Amino acid sequence: KNQVEQSPQSLIILEGKNCTLQCNYTVSPFSNLRWYKQDTGRGPVSLTIMTFSENTKSNGRYTATLDADTKQSSLHITASQLSDSASYICVVTLLTGGGNKLTFGTGTQLKVEL
Amino acid sequence: DAGITQSPRHKVTETGTPVTLRCHQTENHRYMYWYRQDPGHGLRLIHYSYGVKDTDKGEVSDGYSVSRSKTEDFLLTLESATSSQTSVYFCAISESGQGGGSPLHFGNGTRLTVT
Repeated sequence: KNQVEQSPQSLIILEGKNCTLQCNYTVSPFSNLRWYKQDTGRGPVSLTIMTFSENTKSNGRYTATLDADTKQSSLHITASQLSDSASYICVVTLLTGGGNKLTFGTGTQLKVEL
Repeated sequence: DAGITQSPRHKVTETGTPVTLRCHQTENHRYMYWYRQDPGHGLRLIHYSYGVKDTDKGEVSDGYSVSRSKTEDFLLTLESATSSQTSVYFCAISESGQGGGSPLHFGNGTRLTVT
Protein backbone atom coordinates (compact mmCIF):
# COMPACT_ATOMS: atom_id res chain seq x y z
CA LYS A 1 0.00 0.00 0.00
CA ASN A 2 1.34 3.42 -0.95
CA GLN A 3 1.72 5.48 2.19
CA VAL A 4 3.26 8.70 3.45
CA GLU A 5 4.17 8.86 7.13
CA GLN A 6 5.18 12.09 8.84
CA SER A 7 6.88 12.59 12.16
CA PRO A 8 6.56 13.97 14.68
CA GLN A 9 2.79 14.51 14.73
CA SER A 10 3.32 17.74 16.63
CA LEU A 11 6.21 19.85 17.76
CA ILE A 12 6.69 22.93 19.94
CA ILE A 13 9.84 25.04 19.62
CA LEU A 14 11.02 28.43 20.78
CA GLU A 15 11.25 31.32 18.37
CA GLY A 16 14.66 31.52 16.74
CA LYS A 17 15.38 27.80 17.03
CA ASN A 18 15.78 25.40 14.13
CA CYS A 19 13.73 22.27 13.59
CA THR A 20 13.49 19.32 11.21
CA LEU A 21 10.35 17.52 10.13
CA GLN A 22 10.44 14.01 8.68
CA CYS A 23 8.57 12.29 5.87
CA ASN A 24 8.91 8.59 5.06
CA TYR A 25 7.09 7.13 2.10
CA THR A 26 6.46 3.78 0.49
CA VAL A 27 5.08 5.24 -2.73
CA SER A 28 6.56 3.55 -5.79
CA PRO A 29 7.22 4.32 -8.57
CA PHE A 30 7.78 7.84 -7.38
CA SER A 31 7.77 11.00 -9.46
CA ASN A 32 8.17 13.94 -7.14
CA LEU A 33 7.79 15.00 -3.53
CA ARG A 34 6.28 18.23 -2.30
CA TRP A 35 6.07 20.07 1.00
CA TYR A 36 3.12 22.33 1.78
CA LYS A 37 2.46 24.71 4.67
CA GLN A 38 -1.11 25.00 5.94
CA ASP A 39 -2.04 27.80 8.32
CA THR A 40 -5.06 27.26 10.54
CA GLY A 41 -8.26 27.91 8.60
CA ARG A 42 -6.45 28.28 5.27
CA GLY A 43 -5.59 26.08 2.33
CA PRO A 44 -2.13 24.52 1.91
CA VAL A 45 0.55 26.59 0.22
CA SER A 46 3.39 25.03 -1.75
CA LEU A 47 6.89 25.35 -0.26
CA THR A 48 9.03 23.04 -2.42
CA ILE A 49 8.81 20.46 -5.17
CA MET A 50 11.63 17.94 -5.73
CA THR A 51 11.95 15.32 -8.41
CA PHE A 52 13.55 11.97 -7.66
CA SER A 53 16.88 13.23 -9.00
CA GLU A 54 17.09 16.23 -6.67
CA ASN A 55 18.64 16.01 -3.22
CA THR A 56 17.81 19.40 -1.81
CA LYS A 57 15.60 22.42 -2.50
CA SER A 58 15.43 25.66 -0.59
CA ASN A 59 12.78 28.33 -0.25
CA GLY A 60 14.00 31.05 2.08
CA ARG A 61 14.37 29.61 5.58
CA TYR A 62 12.87 26.31 4.45
CA THR A 63 15.17 23.58 3.08
CA ALA A 64 13.86 20.23 1.92
CA THR A 65 16.06 17.20 1.41
CA LEU A 66 15.30 13.96 -0.36
CA ASP A 67 16.92 10.53 -0.24
CA ALA A 68 15.14 8.48 -2.89
CA ASP A 69 17.12 5.36 -1.96
CA THR A 70 15.83 5.28 1.62
CA LYS A 71 12.53 6.95 0.67
CA GLN A 72 12.94 9.70 3.21
CA SER A 73 12.54 13.44 3.05
CA SER A 74 13.01 16.15 5.62
CA LEU A 75 12.01 19.78 5.91
CA HIS A 76 14.41 21.94 7.88
CA ILE A 77 13.25 25.29 9.19
CA THR A 78 15.97 27.74 10.17
CA ALA A 79 15.61 30.54 12.71
CA SER A 80 11.94 29.86 13.32
CA GLN A 81 9.40 32.67 13.57
CA LEU A 82 5.97 32.83 15.14
CA SER A 83 4.50 32.85 11.64
CA ASP A 84 5.97 29.40 11.02
CA SER A 85 3.30 27.97 13.32
CA ALA A 86 1.30 25.77 10.96
CA SER A 87 0.80 22.24 9.72
CA TYR A 88 3.43 20.99 7.28
CA ILE A 89 2.26 18.41 4.80
CA CYS A 90 4.40 16.02 2.74
CA VAL A 91 2.93 14.91 -0.60
CA VAL A 92 4.34 12.20 -2.85
CA THR A 93 3.37 11.65 -6.47
CA LEU A 94 2.84 8.10 -7.64
CA LEU A 95 3.36 7.35 -11.29
CA THR A 96 0.56 5.23 -12.71
CA GLY A 97 -0.42 4.18 -16.20
CA GLY A 98 -3.68 6.05 -15.85
CA GLY A 99 -2.15 9.29 -14.65
CA ASN A 100 -0.32 10.51 -11.58
CA LYS A 101 -1.77 10.11 -8.11
CA LEU A 102 -0.93 12.30 -5.13
CA THR A 103 -0.63 10.73 -1.69
CA PHE A 104 -0.83 13.22 1.18
CA GLY A 105 0.66 12.76 4.62
CA THR A 106 -1.38 13.78 7.66
CA GLY A 107 1.01 16.59 8.50
CA THR A 108 3.21 17.75 11.36
CA GLN A 109 1.67 20.46 13.52
CA LEU A 110 4.37 22.99 14.45
CA LYS A 111 3.93 25.61 17.13
CA VAL A 112 6.54 28.33 17.60
CA GLU A 113 6.46 30.06 20.98
CA LEU A 114 8.15 33.09 22.46
CA ASP B 1 -2.72 34.14 -2.98
CA ALA B 2 -3.76 32.52 -6.22
CA GLY B 3 -7.16 33.76 -7.34
CA ILE B 4 -9.35 31.00 -5.93
CA THR B 5 -12.60 31.70 -4.13
CA GLN B 6 -14.68 29.04 -2.43
CA SER B 7 -18.27 29.62 -1.37
CA PRO B 8 -19.78 29.31 1.08
CA ARG B 9 -16.98 29.27 3.67
CA HIS B 10 -19.21 27.60 6.23
CA LYS B 11 -22.41 25.62 5.89
CA VAL B 12 -24.59 23.56 8.17
CA THR B 13 -27.14 21.30 6.54
CA GLU B 14 -29.39 18.42 7.43
CA THR B 15 -28.98 14.79 6.47
CA GLY B 16 -30.61 13.98 3.16
CA THR B 17 -30.50 17.47 1.67
CA PRO B 18 -28.53 18.31 -1.49
CA VAL B 19 -25.62 20.72 -1.11
CA THR B 20 -23.55 22.52 -3.74
CA LEU B 21 -20.16 24.03 -3.10
CA ARG B 22 -18.63 26.46 -5.55
CA CYS B 23 -15.06 27.09 -6.59
CA HIS B 24 -14.19 30.09 -8.74
CA GLN B 25 -10.73 30.82 -10.17
CA THR B 26 -9.33 33.84 -11.95
CA GLU B 27 -6.05 32.17 -13.04
CA ASN B 28 -7.39 30.46 -16.18
CA HIS B 29 -5.80 27.16 -15.09
CA ARG B 30 -6.95 24.07 -16.94
CA TYR B 31 -7.02 21.67 -14.01
CA MET B 32 -9.32 21.97 -11.01
CA TYR B 33 -9.75 19.61 -8.08
CA TRP B 34 -11.97 18.98 -5.08
CA TYR B 35 -10.41 17.49 -1.95
CA ARG B 36 -11.73 16.74 1.50
CA GLN B 37 -9.65 17.01 4.68
CA ASP B 38 -10.53 15.03 7.79
CA PRO B 39 -8.66 14.52 11.08
CA GLY B 40 -6.29 11.59 10.88
CA HIS B 41 -6.39 11.52 7.09
CA GLY B 42 -4.34 13.26 4.47
CA LEU B 43 -6.18 15.29 1.88
CA ARG B 44 -8.19 12.96 -0.35
CA LEU B 45 -9.23 13.62 -3.91
CA ILE B 46 -12.96 13.58 -4.62
CA HIS B 47 -13.18 14.63 -8.28
CA TYR B 48 -11.11 16.60 -10.70
CA SER B 49 -11.52 18.38 -14.02
CA TYR B 50 -9.09 18.66 -16.91
CA GLY B 51 -11.17 21.06 -18.97
CA VAL B 52 -14.66 22.41 -19.52
CA LYS B 53 -17.11 19.52 -19.21
CA ASP B 54 -14.19 17.08 -18.70
CA THR B 55 -14.21 15.52 -15.25
CA ASP B 56 -13.11 12.31 -13.60
CA LYS B 57 -13.44 10.55 -10.27
CA GLY B 58 -10.93 10.59 -7.47
CA GLU B 59 -10.44 8.12 -4.66
CA VAL B 60 -13.49 9.12 -2.55
CA SER B 61 -16.10 10.07 -5.16
CA ASP B 62 -19.13 8.10 -3.88
CA GLY B 63 -22.00 10.45 -3.00
CA TYR B 64 -20.49 13.39 -4.86
CA SER B 65 -20.89 14.80 -8.35
CA VAL B 66 -19.20 17.71 -10.10
CA SER B 67 -19.77 20.01 -13.01
CA ARG B 68 -17.62 22.44 -14.93
CA SER B 69 -19.49 24.52 -17.49
CA LYS B 70 -16.90 27.32 -17.59
CA THR B 71 -13.14 27.36 -17.17
CA GLU B 72 -13.38 29.44 -14.03
CA ASP B 73 -16.08 27.53 -12.13
CA PHE B 74 -16.06 24.03 -10.64
CA LEU B 75 -19.06 22.90 -8.62
CA LEU B 76 -19.19 20.06 -6.13
CA THR B 77 -22.62 18.61 -5.29
CA LEU B 78 -23.47 16.30 -2.44
CA GLU B 79 -26.53 14.62 -3.82
CA SER B 80 -27.99 13.63 -0.43
CA ALA B 81 -25.78 14.77 2.41
CA THR B 82 -24.79 12.28 5.11
CA SER B 83 -23.02 12.79 8.43
CA SER B 84 -19.92 11.07 7.01
CA GLN B 85 -19.60 13.97 4.58
CA THR B 86 -19.01 16.42 7.42
CA SER B 87 -15.58 17.70 6.48
CA VAL B 88 -13.52 20.60 5.24
CA TYR B 89 -13.60 20.78 1.46
CA PHE B 90 -10.78 22.33 -0.52
CA CYS B 91 -10.73 23.36 -4.14
CA ALA B 92 -7.36 23.42 -5.90
CA ILE B 93 -6.11 24.45 -9.32
CA SER B 94 -2.97 23.74 -11.29
CA GLU B 95 -1.45 24.52 -14.67
CA SER B 96 -0.31 20.95 -15.26
CA GLY B 97 -2.03 17.71 -14.36
CA GLN B 98 -1.97 16.17 -10.91
CA GLY B 99 1.59 15.41 -9.91
CA GLY B 100 3.09 17.41 -12.73
CA GLY B 101 5.75 20.05 -12.37
CA SER B 102 3.47 22.86 -11.25
CA PRO B 103 2.14 23.05 -7.70
CA LEU B 104 -1.45 22.89 -6.57
CA HIS B 105 -2.92 26.21 -5.46
CA PHE B 106 -5.63 25.77 -2.86
CA GLY B 107 -8.61 27.83 -1.87
CA ASN B 108 -9.29 28.51 1.81
CA GLY B 109 -11.84 25.75 2.18
CA THR B 110 -15.50 25.24 2.99
CA ARG B 111 -16.34 23.81 6.38
CA LEU B 112 -19.45 21.65 5.95
CA THR B 113 -21.38 20.18 8.85
CA VAL B 114 -24.15 17.66 8.21
CA THR B 115 -26.49 17.22 11.19
